[in-house]
Amino acid sequence: DVKVTQSSRYLVKRTGEKVFLECVQDMDHENMFWYRQDPGLGLRLIYFSYDVKMKEKGDIPEGYSVSREKKERFSLILESASTNQTSMYLCASRYPGQNEQYFGPGTRLTVT
Amino acid sequence: SQQGEEDPQALSIQEGENATMNCSYKTSINNLQWYRQNSGRGLVHLILIRSNEREKHSGRLRVTLDTSKKSSSLLITASRAADTASYFCATDAGQAGTALIFGKGTTLSVSS
Repeated sequence: DVKVTQSSRYLVKRTGEKVFLECVQDMDHENMFWYRQDPGLGLRLIYFSYDVKMKEKGDIPEGYSVSREKKERFSLILESASTNQTSMYLCASRYPGQNEQYFGPGTRLTVT
Repeated sequence: SQQGEEDPQALSIQEGENATMNCSYKTSINNLQWYRQNSGRGLVHLILIRSNEREKHSGRLRVTLDTSKKSSSLLITASRAADTASYFCATDAGQAGTALIFGKGTTLSVSS
C-alpha cells in the first residue's frame, strides 16, 4: 500500500515563526502536492512538484515556499507564519500517468 | 481556481437510504474522481470516471458523467453510518505536470 506520512498531526506556532511541514511518500512517486483545507473553501492547491527540484505554484502560493531535494520528501515552508495560515494542510502524491492521488493524514496548524 | 462545485453542501439521511451528490465543473477534463474524507483525516480515492465513460460502478457506488453538461453525480446506495464523511469531486485535465482541482465538498451524515 502507498503510504504518505506527514511530520505532525497537530502543530501550534506563534506569529512570525518559520514553520516546516514535512511530507514523505514511500512509492517513488514523481508528483507531490500541498493543499490547504478551510471550512467552506474546500481544498486549495498551494504548490506542487512534478519531480525532484522542480516546483510549480498552485492557486495560493503567497506566504509559502517549498523544497524537494529528494524524490520521497516534499516540504512546505511558512517563512513567517501568520494567523491567516491557521488551517489543515494536506500532502498528496501520485505517479505520472496514474490518475489517483494518495493523501497523507493532514497537519492541523494553528498560528497564534 | 476551483473547478468542481458539489451540491448539496450538506446532506442528512437515514441508514438504508440512498445518497446522491452532484458535481459541476467548468473546463474540459480527462477524467473526474471522487474522494472521501473522514473527519479530520486525509482524503481517500473512491472512484474515477474517464471523459469517454458515462457511468461506472464500484460496490455501492455509482458515478455518472455528462460531459455536455459538465456535471457528475455520485450515488451511494443503502447507506450506512460508516458512510458519514465529506465527499469531494476532483477534475483532472490529464496534462503532464498538472494537479487535480477539487471542489468544496458535500458533507454527508447518515444516522442509524
